[in-house]
Amino acid sequence: AQKVTQAQTEISVVEKEDVTLDCVYETRDTTYYLFWYKQPPSGELVFLIRRNSFDEQNEISGRYSWNFQKSTSSFNFTITASQVVDSAVYFCALSDPFYGQNFVFGPGTRLSVLP
Amino acid sequence: SQTIHQWPATLVQPVGSPLSLECTVEGTSNPNLYWYRQAAGRGLQLLFYSVGIGQISSEVPQNLSASRPQDRQFILSSKKLLLSDSGFYLCAWIGHSYEQYFGPGTRLTVT
Repeated sequence: AQKVTQAQTEISVVEKEDVTLDCVYETRDTTYYLFWYKQPPSGELVFLIRRNSFDEQNEISGRYSWNFQKSTSSFNFTITASQVVDSAVYFCALSDPFYGQNFVFGPGTRLSVLP
Repeated sequence: SQTIHQWPATLVQPVGSPLSLECTVEGTSNPNLYWYRQAAGRGLQLLFYSVGIGQISSEVPQNLSASRPQDRQFILSSKKLLLSDSGFYLCAWIGHSYEQYFGPGTRLTVT
């Protein structure tokens, strides 16, 4: 069975600090997809990034970066120079290759960025 | 471009009353559709998913049901609401690269 663990329930940082959100996953599939979503206070989930299991290249998008390590089954998310607008709940998710019939979310990490 | 709509945005209903939440998707055909529930301060619970008209898979046994009468319409229903049905209900569709895109959600309070 697929499983996603986000061990950090809540994190608080001061603005401009860097912060890393951890995600560890379990799957028996050799092909799978990993995702990060942001849920701001408004509630709507915003898709941030998708990674497939064959692409271990790290990705950077502005202040956001993602580190995918297959050897440790981790897909961590780092926010550099955090801002108050980054305050949200962040979810890591895992999907099998059967077009989303098994899409599993982690429990989420609540990030509070204090001014 | 694709968009997903949900209504109503908020709803307050008494225990025992019926429920109907609607989700529609524009700009795509035959999408896989999902209903999730999120209790206050909690994670996402998958309730139903559908791969086509009339095809519904239930993930969690409960007093909720789902229907897909049209290709891009997904409805969540209940005949009698319970207090435990309160939460934030999200509809989603799956894109070409397996990512899910979510609607704005419906906040349901059962009193």
